[in-house]
Amino acid sequence: EAQVTQNPRYLITVTGKKLTVTCSQNMNHEYMSWYRQDPGLGLRQIYYSMNVEVTDKGDVPEGYKVSRKEKRNFPLILESPSPNQTSLYFCASSLGTSGWDTQYFGPGTRLTVL
Amino acid sequence: GENVEQHPSTLSVQEGDSAVIKCTYSDSASNYFPWYKQELGKRPQLIIDIRSNVGEKKDQRIAVTLNKTAKHFSLHITETQPEDSAVYFCAASIPKGTPLVFGKGTRLSVIA
Repeated sequence: EAQVTQNPRYLITVTGKKLTVTCSQNMNHEYMSWYRQDPGLGLRQIYYSMNVEVTDKGDVPEGYKVSRKEKRNFPLILESPSPNQTSLYFCASSLGTSGWDTQYFGPGTRLTVL
Repeated sequence: GENVEQHPSTLSVQEGDSAVIKCTYSDSASNYFPWYKQELGKRPQLIIDIRSNVGEKKDQRIAVTLNKTAKHFSLHITETQPEDSAVYFCAASIPKGTPLVFGKGTRLSVIA
């Protein structure tokens, strides 16, 4: 089944404890992206990647890192999480990078930083 | 960069009535405008999209209209049903790899 997967789905952690949220797609998509969703703020892009080894900052990159060493994986890394990073995180991918391709979202990761 | 404004933020309609959600964008170079629906606890999913060479597109009870001159586009849902209750996001993008920019979302409630 074609899909975008994220792990973990739920995570409660403490300030400063490094964590990684994994994202994987099995559709051979070129483009991958991370968003955070907060009430009243919609979907805000954190980082995106148009191809392997190519990543770019989105609107809210501070406090996050990403890597794209393989086409299918795009992990989100929080080196030193803080409470203001408590949010619902979505990974998304699309076939091409034209800007016209449908984005497919993962199921989401609800992160709480205490 | 592109900025997308979406209104209203919340919308309640009676079952069977129509619902309209409007978005404006700032960059005249934007030419792709998708709409995503996010049901409670679920992921956003594309429901309809329109490109700038088309003024209107329909898919059963859903339609999207685009006014390039005014730089706004709208989602129209006719004969609303309870299962239409969700958060709807509009988005805009410029071609050749620039990311989608999303509006802040509209929470639609269809009251039976």
